[in-house]
Amino acid sequence: SQTIHQWPATLVQPVGSPLSLECTVEGTSNPNLYWYRQAAGRGLQLLFYSVGIGQISSEVPQNLSASRPQDRQFILSSKKLLLSDSGFYLCAWSVGASGAGETQYFGPGTRLLVL
Amino acid sequence: GQQLNQSPQSMFIQEGEDVSMNCTSSSIFNTWLWYKQEPGEGPVLLIALYKAGELTSNGRLTAQFGITRKDSFLNISASIPSDVGIYFCAGQLASGTYKYIFGTGTRLKVLA
Repeated sequence: SQTIHQWPATLVQPVGSPLSLECTVEGTSNPNLYWYRQAAGRGLQLLFYSVGIGQISSEVPQNLSASRPQDRQFILSSKKLLLSDSGFYLCAWSVGASGAGETQYFGPGTRLLVL
Repeated sequence: GQQLNQSPQSMFIQEGEDVSMNCTSSSIFNTWLWYKQEPGEGPVLLIALYKAGELTSNGRLTAQFGITRKDSFLNISASIPSDVGIYFCAGQLASGTYKYIFGTGTRLKVLA
C-alpha cells in the first residue's frame, strides 16, 4: 500500500533562516506531488506541484521554492524565512497520466513556526 | 487562489442528527473529493466521486457528484462525537489540469 511521509513534524525557525521540508512517497511510481500551506483555521493554498522529476509548477509567487530530485521525493525550501511563512505545510500525491479522475492523498503535515 | 464555495462554514449539532454540507462553483469539475481534517493532522480522504450524478457511500457518509458537474454535497447520518472536525471538498477542473481547488471548509461540532 502507498504511504506518504513528511518531516519534520514540527519546526521552529528564526526569521531569515533557511528551510528544508521533505516529503517522500512509498508504494507507487510516477506520482504527481503537491505542496500546500494551511494557515490556522483556513483552507488549503496550493504552493507547488510536480508531475515528474525535475518538473515544478509554482502557483504562488513567494520566497519558497520546490524541487523534485527523485521520483518519489519532493522538497520545499527557502533561503530566508519570513514571519508570514508560518503555517501548516502539507504534502500530497496523486497518480494519473491524464490529469483527470485522480484521487489525492495527504501526508501528516509539518507545522512551521517562524519567530 | 481559487476556492470553492463551501457551506455552511460551521455547524453545531446534537449527537444523532444528520448533517449536510455542499460545495458549489461556476466551473465544471471532473472529480470531487471530500476530506476530513482533525487538528494538527493532514486531511483524510473520505469519498471520491468521478462521474456526474454519481452517489457514493462510505459507512454513514454519502456524497454526490452534481449532475451539472459544478457542485457536490456530503451527508453524514446519525452523527457521533468522533465526527467532529473540518470537512473540505476539493474539485479537479475538467480542463485536464493536475491541480485541485479546495473549499473553505465546514467546521463540525457534535454535542453529546
